[in-house]
Amino acid sequence: EPEVTQTPSHQVTQMGQEVILRCVPISNHLYFYWYRQILGQKVEFLVSFYNNEISEKSEIFDDQFSVERPDGSNFTLKIRSTKLEDSAMYFCASSDASGYTDTQYFGPGTRLTVL
Amino acid sequence: GNSVTQMEGPVTLSEEAFLTINCTYTATGYPSLFWYVQYPGEGLQLLLKATKADDKGSNKGFEATYRKETTSFHLEKGSVQVSDSAVYFCALGGYQKVTFGTGTKLQVIP
Repeated sequence: EPEVTQTPSHQVTQMGQEVILRCVPISNHLYFYWYRQILGQKVEFLVSFYNNEISEKSEIFDDQFSVERPDGSNFTLKIRSTKLEDSAMYFCASSDASGYTDTQYFGPGTRLTVL
Repeated sequence: GNSVTQMEGPVTLSEEAFLTINCTYTATGYPSLFWYVQYPGEGLQLLLKATKADDKGSNKGFEATYRKETTSFHLEKGSVQVSDSAVYFCALGGYQKVTFGTGTKLQVIP
C-alpha cells in the first residue's frame, strides 16, 4: 500500500540554524501539506501546496518557513533560523484532492529538537 | 471557524472493556469526519472516516457514526485489546486542511 515517507525521523539542531525536513508524498497525489505537533498538544496545520504554489497557510507559517517541491517526488519544509519553540513533531501529508470529503494521508513524522 | 472537541484523557481500561471516546465538532458546510490513531513512537494513521450524515465508519472493530443533529462523531469499540493502546485524534476535513482535536490517550491494561 502506498504511503507517505519522511526523513529524517529525528533531527537535532542548534538555535539559529537552518533545517530542511523532507517528505515523499504518495505518487499520484497532487496536494501536499505540513502539520506540526508540539509535545502534548494538538496537531496544527501549517501549509498546503498545490501546483507548485502555496494554497493556504496558517498564522504559524511565518517568513521563517518555506516549502518547495524540488523535483517530481520530494516535498520539503525549510525553517531558516530555528527557535526553541520550533521543537515539535512535523508531519507531512498528501491527498489526491482537497475538498471537504477528501482524505489526507500522513507520514510518520520528523521529530525536530532545537537546542 | 471549524473546531473539534474531544474528551480529555488519559482513559485507562481493562482488556475486553467497552470503549467510548467522545468527539463533537463545529463546522461550516458538510465536512468529512475522521479518527486518526497514533501508536507510541509512530505517526498518524487513518483509523476510519465518514463522509456524510448518518454514515458509519468502521475499521479494526472500531466504529463511529456521523451525527449531524448532535454534531458528534464518537468512537466506540466493543472489546479493547492491549494493542489498542495509543492516542486517538478526532478530526474534521476542510478545504485544504484537517482540523484536529487535542487527542485522547488510551491505555489498555491486561
